[in-house]
Amino acid sequence: DAGVIQSPRHEVTEMGQEVTLRCKPISGHDYLFWYRQTMMRGLELLIYFNNNVPIDDSGMPEDRFSAKMPNASFSTLKIQPSEPRDSAVYFCASSLEGSDNSPLHFGNGTRLTVT
Amino acid sequence: SQKIEQNSEALNIQEGKTATLTCNYTNYSPAYLQWYRQDPGRGPVFLLLIRENEKEKRKERLKVTFDTTLKQSLFHITASQPADSATYLCALRTGGGNKLTFGTGTQLKVEL
Repeated sequence: DAGVIQSPRHEVTEMGQEVTLRCKPISGHDYLFWYRQTMMRGLELLIYFNNNVPIDDSGMPEDRFSAKMPNASFSTLKIQPSEPRDSAVYFCASSLEGSDNSPLHFGNGTRLTVT
Repeated sequence: SQKIEQNSEALNIQEGKTATLTCNYTNYSPAYLQWYRQDPGRGPVFLLLIRENEKEKRKERLKVTFDTTLKQSLFHITASQPADSATYLCALRTGGGNKLTFGTGTQLKVEL
């Protein structure tokens, strides 16, 4: 089991550019979560999917953020246009079942720096 | 407002002692609570889940308690080791669905 795989590990971009973060969940997991972590705000849930369908996107900061899950083995988080305040570590996590019964398995994150 | 609070200050303890970390929450009535460990540059790793009808749960040197009256969970590491040094996060389901909200975490440092 390779675990949750995120790419890239680091991304440095200039303000106004489009950024795409990628995630491959653990095979067989029905839930996928995108979190953002900063020193000031800690770990914040942005959006989660169940069986590839977005269920709750209330944490997505604004329209510049979008997430897709075209199939069970791949998800993307896109920021367009990026701003310096988007600088953070973005984590993807997956779980077998709902969080009542099943812990989250996190990837090692993408550290995004927007200059 | 709804909050999940953990000790914001780092906790420094001596090797062999018991570390106790606190997670307090307000305005929630969670059916369960989870604890995770996070090392620098890595994603959080699940440690334990405790349900509201379980007052205490143990796993090796780890012990978690859950007091739904006090709205508090305590996380204990007995016979602590330098390898236990990390940030520890509590998490609970907030609202409907499977939205898992995390506390801000407490950094633990175990010194020789």
